[in-house]
Amino acid sequence: DGGITQSPKYLFRKEGQNVTLSCEQNLNHDAMYWYRQDPGQGLRLIYYSQIVNDFQKGDIAEGYSVSREKKESFPLTVTSAQKNPTAFYLCASSPGGGGEQYFGPGTRLTVT
Amino acid sequence: AQKVTQAQTEISVVEKEDVTLDCVYETRDTTYYLFWYKQPPSGELVFLIRRNSFDEQNEISGRYSWNFQKSTSSFNFTITASQVVDSAVYFCALSEPSGAGSYQLTFGKGTKLSVIP
Repeated sequence: DGGITQSPKYLFRKEGQNVTLSCEQNLNHDAMYWYRQDPGQGLRLIYYSQIVNDFQKGDIAEGYSVSREKKESFPLTVTSAQKNPTAFYLCASSPGGGGEQYFGPGTRLTVT
Repeated sequence: AQKVTQAQTEISVVEKEDVTLDCVYETRDTTYYLFWYKQPPSGELVFLIRRNSFDEQNEISGRYSWNFQKSTSSFNFTITASQVVDSAVYFCALSEPSGAGSYQLTFGKGTKLSVIP
C-alpha cells in the first residue's frame, strides 16, 4: 500500500528531553512537510523539504529541527528549546509544484 | 490579515439537510491552488479537492460540490443530503508559490461540522 506512516501515534516525554518523530512515505514524492496543530486551530507549517539534503523553515521553526537524508524519510526533532511542544504533529508529502499534499495519521505529543 | 478565512467555526445540521462551508482567501499571485481537506475524529487529513486559479468551473463529486469564484475570492464547499459520517472538521487551504518552484500551503482554522441523526 502506498502512503505515509508516522510513528508512534502517541508519545509522552518529560520536559527538557528532545524527542524525534518519524515520518516515512513510499509515494515517491519529492516534497515533504511537517505541520503542528493545536486544539481548535488550523495547521501551521514547521519545516518543509523539496529535495533530499535540503529543507526550509516554515512559519514556526523555532525549537524544531529536521533532516532529509533519504527521499522517503523526513524525521522531526522537537528540542527542549520548544517552549510549548504539546500538540498534534502531522507529516505530509506531495509531488511538488502546487500538487496536493497527502497526510500521515499524525503523532500526538504530550510533554509534562 | 488571514490568508484563508473560514468564518464558520462550528455548524450543526440535521441529517439529510444541505450545508455550505464558506472559505475566503487572499493572495496577490495569479497562479495559486485551493484545497479542501476533511479531518475526521481520528485526526488524519483527507484530501477532497484541488483547484487551480485558472479553472473556475464548479465541480461536483457525489454529494459534494465546490463553487470557486475569483471575483469574490471564495471557494465554498456544499454537502448535499448530509450524513452522520460527514461529521468532521473541514479545512480550506491556499497554495502559493514560495520561490524556486516550491509552493507553500496555508490553512484556514477549520469549520467543525456536526451532523445530527
